[in-house]
Amino acid sequence: NAGVTQTPKFQVLKTGQSMTLQCAQDMNHNSMYWYRQDPGMGLRLIYYSASEGTTDKGEVPNGYNVSRLNKREFSLRLESAAPSQTSVYFCASSGVSVRGEQYFGPGTRLTVT
Amino acid sequence: LAKTTQPISMDSYEGQEVNITCSHNNIATNDYITWYQQFPSQGPRFIIQGYKTKVTNEVASLFIPADRKSSTLSLPRVSLSDTAVYYCLVGNNNNDMRFGAGTRLTVKP
Repeated sequence: NAGVTQTPKFQVLKTGQSMTLQCAQDMNHNSMYWYRQDPGMGLRLIYYSASEGTTDKGEVPNGYNVSRLNKREFSLRLESAAPSQTSVYFCASSGVSVRGEQYFGPGTRLTVT
Repeated sequence: LAKTTQPISMDSYEGQEVNITCSHNNIATNDYITWYQQFPSQGPRFIIQGYKTKVTNEVASLFIPADRKSSTLSLPRVSLSDTAVYYCLVGNNNNDMRFGAGTRLTVKP
């Protein structure tokens, strides 16, 4: 039981490049989330998916797209990376309760130069 | 969305009880209070959640007064491994809860 896994762990991009961050959970959770965390700050919600087939914008969605591929997987795509997107990205999932415990992955450290 | 205010940092010593207070003056009737812990280079980890009065689990206690405008996370007998950032979140839905800057707790020997 791996919980929430994220790939890659580290990534360096040049401005304008694109990439997809992958997230998978094996807890049969309905809801999944993508957050970013900038140095010295709390996490900010980018997008979430309340259930398979649905996605919604969070607090800071600009510059990102997401796909809920199936119940297990939720990917985050940067179409044209910018230095302002340099951050640590965390994926999380939660079960049936809308306010239930969120389980977080280990994070992806992204640097855009 | 309910806004929360926490101390930026706190220091303590091993074996002491630590109380971290969070202010949430505009909490809504159906909002819950949730606390997370985050170690460096890791994702946050759920600690405890409550609606009113007192909630206790194997890790911490959460005290919520009758007016619910504040809450206190209590960590009994802290150790060096409790050094982390602690976040107070308020809301009725994970989509609406916001992580603020948190409280950086440093436990000293």
